Amino acid sequence: EPEVTQTPSHQVTQMGQEVILRCVPISNHLYFYWYRQILGQKVEFLVSFYNNEISEKSEIFDDQFSVERPDGSNFTLKIRSTKLEDSAMYFCASSAQVYNEQFFGPGTRLTVL
Amino acid sequence: GQQLNQSPQSMFIQEGEDVSMNCTSSSIFNTWLWYKQDPGEGPVLLIALYKAGELTSNGRLTAQFGITRKDSFLNISASIPSDVGIYFCAGYPNTGNQFYFGTGTSLTVIP
Repeated sequence: EPEVTQTPSHQVTQMGQEVILRCVPISNHLYFYWYRQILGQKVEFLVSFYNNEISEKSEIFDDQFSVERPDGSNFTLKIRSTKLEDSAMYFCASSAQVYNEQFFGPGTRLTVL
Repeated sequence: GQQLNQSPQSMFIQEGEDVSMNCTSSSIFNTWLWYKQDPGEGPVLLIALYKAGELTSNGRLTAQFGITRKDSFLNISASIPSDVGIYFCAGYPNTGNQFYFGTGTSLTVIP
């Protein structure tokens, strides 16, 4: 069964460093998303991506964040200069249609020291 | 942003009991999704709902899209230990362009 994959599973970085989180969405899906979940809290929307551009972003997704689909399979989230409060689980998701069911990856746990 | 109120916040039940939880909002939604999340893992989609009044089952799970389009319900019948986890609702509002997640219901099943 097709699934969303994410790498790495755990990333530890120093404050101020850049990190890139990688995702491979389900192959025939057209809509891609990044979400964040701080430990013990709800899932929060960061950004949606369609047709090689951002279609929607939340207040959390400031200038420190960027997304890219560098090739036909990968979808990446870059945090330019990490802050302590960026520590969280980051989930990638994909869907076939914009408001259809979204399938989540296993997540990347980002720890900023 | 949209606020989805999910209740109860936590539940402790005996194995074999039925479970009910709900998600409410002050806004109208077009889509409701229900997810289960185990610790340290990604949310797993359980049920998707697209029409007001729709009732959909997935094994022992049944979810309904409220007639007012402002709420949704999830029921689990005859709970088993592997039902333990956090259940999230997610809704796509009528006037929105993203999914919003509820605060989650933590379910503990006592064998």
